[in-house]
Amino acid sequence: QQQVKQSPQSLIVQKGGISIINCAYENTAFDYFPWYQQFPGKGPALLIAIRPDVSEKKEGRFTISFNKSAKQFSLHIMDSQPGDSATYFCAASNAGGTSYGKLTFGQGTILTVHP
Amino acid sequence: DGGITQSPKYLFRKEGQNVTLSCEQNLNHDAMYWYRQDPGQGLRLIYYSQIVNDFQKGDIAEGYSVSREKKESFPLTVTSAQKNPTAFYLCASSIGPSVGTQYFGPGTRLLVL
Repeated sequence: QQQVKQSPQSLIVQKGGISIINCAYENTAFDYFPWYQQFPGKGPALLIAIRPDVSEKKEGRFTISFNKSAKQFSLHIMDSQPGDSATYFCAASNAGGTSYGKLTFGQGTILTVHP
Repeated sequence: DGGITQSPKYLFRKEGQNVTLSCEQNLNHDAMYWYRQDPGQGLRLIYYSQIVNDFQKGDIAEGYSVSREKKESFPLTVTSAQKNPTAFYLCASSIGPSVGTQYFGPGTRLLVL
């Protein structure tokens, strides 16, 4: 019940296209959903995060869509650029509960944006 | 500059040897974490610490040990009992134990000779 399932494993998009990465969770106690971006040989960096009281959050070209009833959330990257090529991880936690804020990560999606 | 530093960037371990990975943060965060990352897998939690002088096992603690004697430091020792130590190790911190946002260091890649 602690799993977060992420898809696809890899994604190839043309420059200017839309990249979409999906995650599904089972634990209804999760109340914080961040996305991290990781470049090769570097640590993950927080990209954008959402809480379940909103259905969408947008920051620049990055948008999180959240569907509480389906227990799914997704990352949309608009106007994808070659510099967006990286591995993206979704995660979830019960930040307000007793699990100390433990993050459960998805398996990651390797995004390649062709020029 | 505030942030998390990890050293060394690359570390080589010989058979039967214990090695220690350093993690230091100057963000004044209470909570710190160690993760292991293997190719094609997500991040798996090794150990975490909510306050100084306290730490708890994560999902894959066997073969690892930690200490938290200072707020800013959380070193990880990979012991000889860890039979498959080759991985990318990431340290993270958060303001408090119940705050979801974690900030990551640049990582240490451990290789076995």
